[in-house]
Amino acid sequence: QVQLVESGGGLVKPGGSLRLSCAASGFSFSDYYMSWIRQAPGKGLEWVSYISGSGYTIYYADSVKGRFTISRDNAKDSLYLQMNGLRAEDTAVYYCARRYAGLVGVDYWGQGTLVTVSS
Amino acid sequence: QSVVTQPPSASGTPGQRVTISCSGSSANIGSNYVYWYQQLPGTAPKLLIYRDNQRPSGVPDRFSGSKSGTSASLAISGLRSDDEADYYCAIWDDSLSGPVFGGGTKLTVV
Repeated sequence: QVQLVESGGGLVKPGGSLRLSCAASGFSFSDYYMSWIRQAPGKGLEWVSYISGSGYTIYYADSVKGRFTISRDNAKDSLYLQMNGLRAEDTAVYYCARRYAGLVGVDYWGQGTLVTVSS
Repeated sequence: QSVVTQPPSASGTPGQRVTISCSGSSANIGSNYVYWYQQLPGTAPKLLIYRDNQRPSGVPDRFSGSKSGTSASLAISGLRSDDEADYYCAIWDDSLSGPVFGGGTKLTVV
């Protein structure tokens, strides 16, 4: 069965860095676009970034462009999000998710990992 | 402030039919497919509707999607207490060249 397991969240000071990982299993990872989607506490969903199966096509939301880097290692069935220059407004649960249809339809989500940016 | 607008709340009684709207523009709903997600409390979102009105396998036919012009709707018939959740529309926006979510609608089953 399809599983997505995020890790790497935690408490970090403003300006700090964090690297999130998402371990995928149960499907042919390299065949799928993957996304990072976040949700601030008590708030709605925000698309952060996505990457094509080959890694050639990448999207970033304006709110994270220049600070976050998405990448993948198809040999390890893993998705990553390198987050630099973290701000308080980046505090959120970060989900990795697998594309299902179009670029907006995702079918499988991880359980999420909480990133807290605070001094 | 999202480029697509949803009412913050909706409510209904068990067995009733409720609709949740998603209003946008020619840059998003007017030219691209609409997707709907359900997020139960404390859980990750779940895809309910894709490409305006298609249901993934396993989603009951009580859930249906429609679109007209620059607005879309999610309808839930035979409302149940376990439908109480947050519902989000999602769409590609041509102006932003990226995917966006609506602000979400909290559905209460009273």
